[in-house]
Amino acid sequence: DGGITQSPKYLFRKEGQNVTLSCEQNLNHDAMYWYRQDPGQGLRLIYYSQIVNDFQKGDIAEGYSVSREKKESFPLTVTSAQKNPTAFYLCASSIESGQEQFFGPGTRLTVL
Amino acid sequence: GENVEQHPSTLSVQEGDSAVIKCTYSDSASNYFPWYKQELGKRPQLIIDIRSNVGEKKDQRIAVTLNKTAKHFSLHITETQPEDSAVYFCAALSSGSARQLTFGSGTQLTVLP
Repeated sequence: DGGITQSPKYLFRKEGQNVTLSCEQNLNHDAMYWYRQDPGQGLRLIYYSQIVNDFQKGDIAEGYSVSREKKESFPLTVTSAQKNPTAFYLCASSIESGQEQFFGPGTRLTVL
Repeated sequence: GENVEQHPSTLSVQEGDSAVIKCTYSDSASNYFPWYKQELGKRPQLIIDIRSNVGEKKDQRIAVTLNKTAKHFSLHITETQPEDSAVYFCAALSSGSARQLTFGSGTQLTVLP
């Protein structure tokens, strides 16, 4: 579990502000993912990256952006265009696409 | 794209009884089906998975069965214990170059002592 970390654990944002969530892994995994989890719902894929310097939109990418400049890091920016950003955000990684995914501890974002 | 439905949304069982959670998927080409357990406020953790070339897989008190024809798979937990109480998610891996997991909506399992 310690191989993938997210920070901060809790994050508060005012409406209209952009905020960046950190995700780092030291597992030497090629693939990384961002999910959003809302109460009573499953995990929904925001963005994923199969290899460094490449990423694709998931099912709910609108209002979010990512970068994958380093293999270890996959930060997620929640922009002011995201209409309902309050949620629990989970980052995951896998050795390659299609293999077991390991999750980080999550960041709980609250928009005030 | 892939669509995964999970039932029931909540399940209560007496300690020692069995629990069964069922999922259906829509993409007949999906070939990997993991199950995750998420305790309150914690990260999801893989408990068991199955690939489409296998019909059943067991790991101690946990088993997963897959029916490719009917496009459904199930999680079976025997001799349930209070520490089994958690939210369980099924998922299916879509085919093609995307190869992304689609998750079910989760089942809150409560094991009553």
